[in-house]
Amino acid sequence: EAEVAQSPRYKITEKSQAVAFWCDPISGHATLYWYRQILGQGPELLVQFQDESVVDDSQLPKDRFSAERLKGVDSTLKIQPAELGDSAMYLCASSLAYNSPLHFGNGTRLTVT
Amino acid sequence: DAKTTQPPSMDCAEGRAANLPCNHSTISGNEYVYWYRQIHSQGPQYIIHGLKNNETNEMASLIITEDRKSSTLILPHATLRDTAVYYCIVSSHSGYALNFGKGTSLLVTP
Repeated sequence: EAEVAQSPRYKITEKSQAVAFWCDPISGHATLYWYRQILGQGPELLVQFQDESVVDDSQLPKDRFSAERLKGVDSTLKIQPAELGDSAMYLCASSLAYNSPLHFGNGTRLTVT
Repeated sequence: DAKTTQPPSMDCAEGRAANLPCNHSTISGNEYVYWYRQIHSQGPQYIIHGLKNNETNEMASLIITEDRKSSTLILPHATLRDTAVYYCIVSSHSGYALNFGKGTSLLVTP
C-alpha cells in the first residue's frame, strides 16, 4: 500500500535555529495537510493545501512558520527561528479529494534545546 | 464542527470485543462521524466513517444511534496490536480539515 513519506524521522535543533521538514504524499493525492502533535494531545492542523494552493493556514504561526507545495506534489514546512515550545511531532497527511480519508505519514519528531 | 466526548482510557481482554463510545450531542445534519487510531510512534490511521447508517469494514463496525448524538466503534476480536489511541471526530465534508481531540487510549491485555 502506498504511504506518505516524511523526513527526517527525528530532528534535534537549538532554539533560534532554522529547521525544515519534508513530505511526499501518496501519488495523485491533491490535498495535503501538516499537523502538529504535542505529547499527550491529538494532532492539530497547521496548514492545508489543495494542489499548490493554501486552503487553510489560520492556525499556522506565520511569524515563524512557513509551508509550501510549489508543484502541487511534495511539501516543505519550515520553522525559523525555532523555539522551545515547538518541540512536537509534525505529521503530514494527504487525501485523494476533499471527502476522502486522510493518510498520515509517521511524522518528524522535533526536539528544540 | 461538533465537539466529541470520549473516555480517556479503556481496557479490553484479547479476543473480546472492544466497544469504544463517543458522544457528539451537537452534531448537525451534514456532519459525518470519523474514527482514526494512532499506534505509538506512528501517524493516525483511518478506520471507518459514517453519516447515520451503521457501517462495517474489515477493521471495525460503527454503530450510530438514531438521534446521531452518540456512536460506538466496535473491534469485534481485539488483539494486542489494537492497543492504540482511538479518535472520534465529527466533521462536515466542507474543507475536510479534521480536528482531533485527545481520544481514548485503549489497552488490550493478554
